[in-house]
Parts: sequence; structure tokens; C-alpha cells
Amino acid sequence: DIQLTQSPSFLSASVRDRVTITCRASQGISSYLAWYQQKPGKAPKLLIYSASRLQSGVPSRFSGSGSGTVFILTINTLQPEDFATYYCQQLHSYPWTFGQGTRVEIK
Amino acid sequence: EVHLVESGGGLVQRGGSLRLSCAASGFTFTNFAMSWVRQAPGKGLEWVSSVSGDGGTTYYPDSMRGRFAISSDSSKKTVYLQILSLRVEDTAIYYCAKLGRIFGVHDYWGQGTLVTVSS
Repeated sequence: DIQLTQSPSFLSASVRDRVTITCRASQGISSYLAWYQQKPGKAPKLLIYSASRLQSGVPSRFSGSGSGTVFILTINTLQPEDFATYYCQQLHSYPWTFGQGTRVEIK
Repeated sequence: EVHLVESGGGLVQRGGSLRLSCAASGFTFTNFAMSWVRQAPGKGLEWVSSVSGDGGTTYYPDSMRGRFAISSDSSKKTVYLQILSLRVEDTAIYYCAKLGRIFGVHDYWGQGTLVTVSS
């Protein structure tokens, strides 16, 4: 199975900060990666697919980059509603797997 | 607007079985595959199973093969997940999710249904 390791697992940031979250795959997955946001008590929400494509309706302050084994989710100008947990997911091969999550909290 | 509503969760004894349902609306049901993804309390996301839009093809990770069975009924626009021989470690919120045009990307999610397995 392909393992996804996110770093950091937790980060504390302030409104208007720029935040980056890294997702590392245990083997190359081309651009077959998605990012999701999950707020407490809510279902996950798709943010990014194909490593860098923004899902319709997602604010442009979210962006994704990377290919192969290293991927980055960037949130520019962090907003109060962005405090949540973020997960990466690979869809390169079965079984589809998720990273362990990165919790973004208010400093 | 895509809408996914799960039901069927609850408190079950270890060894019991359960069938979860997910009613879908807002898209052409047979054009898209569907998944179940679970989340144990305080833990991350785990893919459980997927089914093709026509219901003819199912997908499971090896860890879920055998006790989990996904199916769909296009006439009811509903996806099901049967879970047999429930274990305490199956306790989780079970989310139904629609797969997008890129197979593997979960573009819409339901609110989830909680399954609690007691010992």
C-alpha cells in the first residue's frame, strides 16, 4: 500500500498568515493526489484534485503543487474559516489511502 | 445540487451486522461511482469500498474484503454498505461520497452516520 505522510501534524497560525502543508508519498504517484478540508463535526470537503487543480467554488487562496512523491498545499492569507484539519489522498493505486491529517489551529 | 444522506447507523453488539444506506440526489446516479469512507473517533479517514455507477463493479481494500459488501440500486438512487461480524474497531462515522470524473476523487460527501459497536 502507498503510505502518505503529512507534515506537520499540527500547526498554529494567525489570520492572514501563509500556511504550507506537505504530503509525502512512499512511492511515486504522478499527480494522482487530492486535498480535503474537514471542520469539526462536519464531512470532508474537496479542495484540490490532480495535485494542483482547484475544485469549483473553492477560494483561490488555496493552491496545490507537486508531483511524484512530494506535494504541498498552500493557504495564502489564512482566514478564520480555514481553521480545520486537512487530508491528502492518493488515487494512483488501490487501496486509495489518506494522510494522517494536519490540524490547523488559531495561534 | 448534489445531496447525499446516510442512514442506518446505530449501536450494535459485537458480532452483529448492519446495513447502511446512502440516498443520492442532484446528479445522474448511474454516471458516477460512489464510495464509503469511515473515520474512527478522533482518527483519520479510511477508504472502505466503492461501486461503479452501474453497480456492476465493486472495489475494496484487502482489509475490508470479506466482511463489507457494497451495492447500489439505481432505481432508488441509493448505495448500501452491509457490514458483517462487526468488531469494536469498526466503530466510526461512515461517510458516503460521490466519486468525480477523475476516478478516486471524492467530490461530494454526505454528513455521515455513526456506527458504534459494543463489546
